[in-house]
Amino acid sequence: GQQLNQSPQSMFIQEGEDVSMNCTSSSIFNTWLWYKQDPGEGPVLLIALYKAGELTSNGRLTAQFGITRKDSFLNISASIPSDVGIYFCAGHVTGTASKLTFGTGTRLQVTL
Amino acid sequence: GAVVSQHPSRVICKSGTSVKIECRSLDFQATTMFWYRQFPKKSLMLMATSNEGSKATYEQGVEKDKFLINHASLTLSTLTVTSAHPEDSSFYICSARDGTSGSYFPGEQFFGPGTRLTVL
Repeated sequence: GQQLNQSPQSMFIQEGEDVSMNCTSSSIFNTWLWYKQDPGEGPVLLIALYKAGELTSNGRLTAQFGITRKDSFLNISASIPSDVGIYFCAGHVTGTASKLTFGTGTRLQVTL
Repeated sequence: GAVVSQHPSRVICKSGTSVKIECRSLDFQATTMFWYRQFPKKSLMLMATSNEGSKATYEQGVEKDKFLINHASLTLSTLTVTSAHPEDSSFYICSARDGTSGSYFPGEQFFGPGTRLTVL
């Protein structure tokens, strides 16, 4: 099935640094979601965006819904060790009964 | 609220046996449940969508007779991997959508913690 392309694929950063990752698609989505997955666990929703151009924050996390509806980015400020994990974007198209298309994932590792 | 559980969390079985994985919505009515498969260091791939009381809709390439899905109640869906083989070893994750409440945004799903299946 279709997947969204995320970049970077993985990243090592130092504690305290800011992180930026993005997600691109060849098709339009009506809703963009960002999830974090810890090893051996299911994804946990971080931020939901459902309006083109929308910029939303959740604590140290900020995400934006691209104006073209084909991309989104997630920023994490002042990273901490517990930010380690895999971050997935997901897109939803209205009328598809909540069916989500997931991105390829960005693996974040933080060094002290 | 909106908690989804899966059982078992880990299962090891012999090749040729069948394994059943349960997905339960604990505090809401899940009108729709989704089953995903995830290989190591890979993304979630949707296997099938099931609506309570009706047959599941499988994604292209997913064998219906291999992965049996039942969604007999608003709080329980099961995935049975029949005649499991080592290539079926994977992390299986379910998610659920609360279709009875209007308080959730379009596309919202609540994910279970996953089940790691190892077929020897």
